[in-house]
Amino acid sequence: GDSVTQMEGPVTLSEEAFLTINCTYTATGYPSLFWYVQYPGEGLQLLLKATKADDKGSNKGFEATYRKETTSFHLEKGSVQVSDSAVYFCALAKAAGNKLTFGGGTRVLVKP
Amino acid sequence: NAGVTQTPKFQVLKTGQSMTLQCAQDMNHNSMYWYRQDPGMGLRLIYYSASEGTTDKGEVPNGYNVSRLNKREFSLRLESAAPSQTSVYFCASSERPGNTIYFGEGSWLTVV
Repeated sequence: GDSVTQMEGPVTLSEEAFLTINCTYTATGYPSLFWYVQYPGEGLQLLLKATKADDKGSNKGFEATYRKETTSFHLEKGSVQVSDSAVYFCALAKAAGNKLTFGGGTRVLVKP
Repeated sequence: NAGVTQTPKFQVLKTGQSMTLQCAQDMNHNSMYWYRQDPGMGLRLIYYSASEGTTDKGEVPNGYNVSRLNKREFSLRLESAAPSQTSVYFCASSERPGNTIYFGEGSWLTVV
């Protein structure tokens, strides 16, 4: 079946550091890929998405590129802020599917 | 901007008790979902409703029932709560299957 694997964390960084969270997936066909973010005590919010190979999703300084050849969708941000402290989830959905398949989440803590 | 609203936010149940989690969305979305979130496991789909009048099992449906009351509302019922159902529950909705999914803020359920 479909699956998403992402680094467990926690990832602890200093403010203005570079952030990378690795995400790889296993799926048949051509899934859409997503990054969701969950701030403390809140629900999940869509951060960015990509629907086909080589697409780059971007939002709030975060970027991720859909790499079909390596089945990856790594999340990056060049300069993190304390407000970026959250849990980040990578997920996939089939083009005509009814559900998201999530990775286990990566907790990021940014210290001032 | 209400979006997806779920109640209650916190609940403690004794083993064997029953309860219903309520969810409503005001975005006129066709599809609604119930997920549970457990540490290190990401989110797992319990049930979903692709459109009003239909419901289908997700990845972990055992011990739960759902009702799609109307287009806006999708409830999740635990008939006889068990400690294994201690979790955070998220309701979500999308315009249609495969579109971006929007989440509620979560319901923290503890079964003792």
